[in-house]
Amino acid sequence: EVKLVESGGGLVQPGRSLKLSCAASGFSFNDYWMGWVRQAPGKGLEWIGEINQDSSTINYTPSLKDKFTISRDNAQNTLYLQMSKLGSEDTAIYYCARSDGPFAYWGQGTLVTVSS
Amino acid sequence: DIQMTQSPASLSASLGETVTIECRASEDIYNGLAWYQQKPGKSPQLLIYNANSLHTGVPSRFSGSGSGTQYSLKINSLQSEDVASYFCQQYYDYPYTFGAGTKLELK
Repeated sequence: EVKLVESGGGLVQPGRSLKLSCAASGFSFNDYWMGWVRQAPGKGLEWIGEINQDSSTINYTPSLKDKFTISRDNAQNTLYLQMSKLGSEDTAIYYCARSDGPFAYWGQGTLVTVSS
Repeated sequence: DIQMTQSPASLSASLGETVTIECRASEDIYNGLAWYQQKPGKSPQLLIYNANSLHTGVPSRFSGSGSGTQYSLKINSLQSEDVASYFCQQYYDYPYTFGAGTKLELK
């Protein structure tokens, strides 16, 4: 069974940084692109970006490219999202997902709240 | 970036009814189109990929169609468990983009 479990969310002050993790199991992690999507409270889905199998290609939505960094550790079957200079507009549930073109499998999400 | 315009924003329908949700891309996305269902408090779930292919385990009352810039999701014989929000997504070109969503409620 494919399982994706995000962690690392919580309350963070404006201007600070936060790193999210996504632990993958039930499939061969290093065979798949992986991605991140976020959803602000009561809003729609926003594609953040995705990373290929050996980390040689990472694509971002342009508005977040200078703030967010996606990485992965294939030995640990873990995907990461490093977020910097956080603002209130970054308050959202952050989902990791396995990219098969579309996102066929999603985690349960982790809530990040940016507030003083 | 490719813009995805989804309509309607909300929809109210009766049990057993057929509903259709539309998605228009700002340029040709060559069937690189997925539909997701999201129930309250849950993660999105893939329903349709490549515009018209049903994802594993998805009931056959869901179907997708379209080409070029115009795509649609149809739900036949609406069931109570179909109450959810639905999102389209293009994955033809980076950055991938989602439609704004359609909230489906029971009448």
